[in-house]
Amino acid sequence: QKEVEQNSGPLSVPEGAIASLNCTYSDRVSQSFFWYRQYSGKSPELIMSIYSNGDKEDGRFTAQLNKASQYVSLLIRDSQPSDSATYLCAVNQAGTALIFGKGTTLSVSS
Amino acid sequence: DTGVSQDPRHKITKRGQNVTFRCDPISEHNRLYWYRQTLGQGPEFLTYFQNEAQLEKSRLLSDRFSAERPKGSFSTLEIQRTEQGDSAMYLCASQTGGDSPLHFGNGTRLTVT
Repeated sequence: QKEVEQNSGPLSVPEGAIASLNCTYSDRVSQSFFWYRQYSGKSPELIMSIYSNGDKEDGRFTAQLNKASQYVSLLIRDSQPSDSATYLCAVNQAGTALIFGKGTTLSVSS
Repeated sequence: DTGVSQDPRHKITKRGQNVTFRCDPISEHNRLYWYRQTLGQGPEFLTYFQNEAQLEKSRLLSDRFSAERPKGSFSTLEIQRTEQGDSAMYLCASQTGGDSPLHFGNGTRLTVT
């Protein structure tokens, strides 16, 4: 059974701080890793994708992947109240379905 | 790119009734996925298609659920003899293939009374 684990939170950070979201996965041969953001009552929207070990930066977001430790994280710099949402980690191998974690709820206070 | 379209947005039905949802993927995407999501949970995989072929179906999926993608374009998800536990958001997503990201529609919220 392939599993993706996330701390459900809530994770609370003040405006301007760095938010750190973590995810572990069970399937060692996983190849593709994604972070989605989901606002309440809305569908998930893609924030970042990462496929190789190391860091990938896009604006205020940085995804970090460590395949040896089966660990992927998302850092949000200069957090804004509009970043308050649930962040979903998703993992798959090529040709198989994307498996999601339960999500971490982030709350950014102004 | 008009995005993934789902219809209806909301459906209220009585227990025991059948319901059918429709999904129109992004036109150049050959893979189409169905997920179900309940409050406080991540999306749960139900099934996926590559073109018209149904390639994978969750072992957790009841045989009351059936999905089709007859011409490799739009897809339908039918739930027969609905139960209150079927109440959830049903999400459709499409993908160009391989390890590219999924693009989600706005979902169909089902309420079974």
